[in-house]
Amino acid sequence: GAVVSQHPSRVICKSGTSVKIECRSLDFQATTMFWYRQFPKKSLMLMATSNEGSKATYEQGVEKDKFLINHASLTLSTLTVTSAHPEDSSFYICSASKGQAINQPQHFGDGTRLSIL
Amino acid sequence: QKEVEQDPGPLSVPEGAIVSLNCTYSNSAFQYFMWYRQYSRKGPELLMYTYSSGNKEDGRFTAQVDKSSKYISLFIRDSQPSDSATYLCAGGGGADGLTFGKGTHLIIQP
Repeated sequence: GAVVSQHPSRVICKSGTSVKIECRSLDFQATTMFWYRQFPKKSLMLMATSNEGSKATYEQGVEKDKFLINHASLTLSTLTVTSAHPEDSSFYICSASKGQAINQPQHFGDGTRLSIL
Repeated sequence: QKEVEQDPGPLSVPEGAIVSLNCTYSNSAFQYFMWYRQYSRKGPELLMYTYSSGNKEDGRFTAQVDKSSKYISLFIRDSQPSDSATYLCAGGGGADGLTFGKGTHLIIQP
């Protein structure tokens, strides 16, 4: 199997708060993890790619200091939305792939719905 | 250019019908293709993964890739109400990761 667990599933918080989202691969070692945002009726937008033990690679237009990614182990990556504002409200989804080959399928968590008041 | 084009639908068909979902892509570097199913408020679930032109079958699902025309399809036989979901196609290759289509919202009417 390839189970990816994402926590929390839902967050509602005040503007200015920092929010941490965890992504865990439960039954495999994930050398690479990905973080996406998904807007209604839009495709998944890749935010960053993280490899265990190294700095994340951010997509153009994604602020590194705003979205902090840590991939400290082969089974855990975290995304911290710092000083969140209403425009950061979105559905954030992580995925993980086995191995380092670029053609490995990605397995997704169930997402985190973030609402900033 | 990294776009993957997919009709967002909704596509509504009666139960038992054969469903055809399609995507086109423009990046010739794409080497592998995937279909994901996403239920409301859930993450995408991998359905099919193909690495070459041709057909790949898994139960009621058949994925078809035509690299010459940059066209990928997913067929669902004997469709069930539980197949109602959003179906995302994705392509990947080279140094980049996956590029997703916007997804097609499928409704199977009982």
